[in-house]
Amino acid sequence: KQEVTQIPAALSVPEGENLVLNCSFTDSAIYNLQWFRQDPGKGLTSLLLIQSSQREQTSGRLNASLDKSSGRSTLYIAASQPGDSATYLCAVNGVSTDKLIFGTGTRLQVFP
Amino acid sequence: ETGVTQTPRHLVMGMTNKKSLKCEQHLGHNAMYWYKQSAKKPLELMFVYSLEERVENNSVPSRFSPECPNSSHLFLHLHTLQPEDSALYLCASSQGADQPQHFGDGTRLSIL
Repeated sequence: KQEVTQIPAALSVPEGENLVLNCSFTDSAIYNLQWFRQDPGKGLTSLLLIQSSQREQTSGRLNASLDKSSGRSTLYIAASQPGDSATYLCAVNGVSTDKLIFGTGTRLQVFP
Repeated sequence: ETGVTQTPRHLVMGMTNKKSLKCEQHLGHNAMYWYKQSAKKPLELMFVYSLEERVENNSVPSRFSPECPNSSHLFLHLHTLQPEDSALYLCASSQGADQPQHFGDGTRLSIL
């Protein structure tokens, strides 16, 4: 059974810091891994999707890496801003389940 | 404009009421999903429709009844709900199982 874990559960940093959010999964047989952002009271916004054959994806200040063999992904946020404050969710699309399995998220607060 | 629109945004109902949640996607996708998001829990997949056929029913109680009349619309019919059904219900769509999912803003459901 695929399980997805995100560490830390919450993070509070001053703006300008570079930070790393971690995601681990138990079954390495995946199609892809997706990082989402969720603002309070809102739905999910897709940030980055990494296919199983890829090692990383970049979008602006965001960089996501994937190490499928060790069951890990990281989301790197450069030069954090208060507008980055949100909950960040990692989800894995598994071969055996053919559906997204989500972690519980990391709640990020960036203060001025 | 998220591409996926959910109505209503908020719903309060008694346990004996019958109501429906609506989801509409404007992205030309062929798969649609219902998720439940409860406090402190990962998102849970409820139903998946691909090409208007239900392909996944994740052991959801029969008091939740989905309907997909065409590839752009998805409904979740609710009846005789329980207080533990209070949650944020999110709809998503994608072009396929291995493609990014795009989410609506959800319906916040409260059962009295």
